[in-house]
Amino acid sequence: NAGVTQTPKFQVLKTGQSMTLQCAQDMNHEYMSWYRQDPGMGLRLIHYSVGAGITDQGEVPNGYNVSRSTTEDFPLRLLSAAPSQTSVYFCASIGTGQTEAFFGQGTRLTVV
Amino acid sequence: AQSVTQLGSHVSVSEGALVLLRCNYSSSVPPYLFWYVQYPNQGLQLLLKYTTGATLVKGINGFEAEFKKSETSFHLTKPSAHMSDAAEYFCAVSRNTGTASKLTFGTGTRLQVTL
Repeated sequence: NAGVTQTPKFQVLKTGQSMTLQCAQDMNHEYMSWYRQDPGMGLRLIHYSVGAGITDQGEVPNGYNVSRSTTEDFPLRLLSAAPSQTSVYFCASIGTGQTEAFFGQGTRLTVV
Repeated sequence: AQSVTQLGSHVSVSEGALVLLRCNYSSSVPPYLFWYVQYPNQGLQLLLKYTTGATLVKGINGFEAEFKKSETSFHLTKPSAHMSDAAEYFCAVSRNTGTASKLTFGTGTRLQVTL
């Protein structure tokens, strides 16, 4: 009963490096989303997907890419990390016709 | 466009006292409304939600919230606070089009419970 699994849990990057945050869900949910959480700002939507092969931008998409080749996986790519991307990242999924979002445990990313 | 305003970034109550966390929303269409709780170093867990029907909704851990359309509010309450309620609470709204994957969150309220 894994739910939504995010890896890694912690990561330190140097400015300019690239990396991929992984997100996998085993609930056969169609909808998946990425959020970033910053102090005093709540969670903000980065990208979301309504099914395999379909993605769209959220509120703060700049500097991030996503793809959805399978229902289970929704990786988030940082192409060239910047200190402004230091944040906690959460992946979430929702089943078709459902309203409750299930969140992963988060990835704490520090860009130095 | 949707937005959520949570009044008070920090709320402190005594154990056994009433908990009231305020949330006001703005939405151009009938909304879905949610309260999530986040314990330290963990993800978000759904406390309760309003989609349609009864405007007073009950959630886990003794929390409840009332949807008041005229006041565009969805305040969270609990009659008697417990030490284990100390956490950060987020109010969120989504469009009721079935695509609830696009949540708009408030900035959060950190609840402190003192002896």
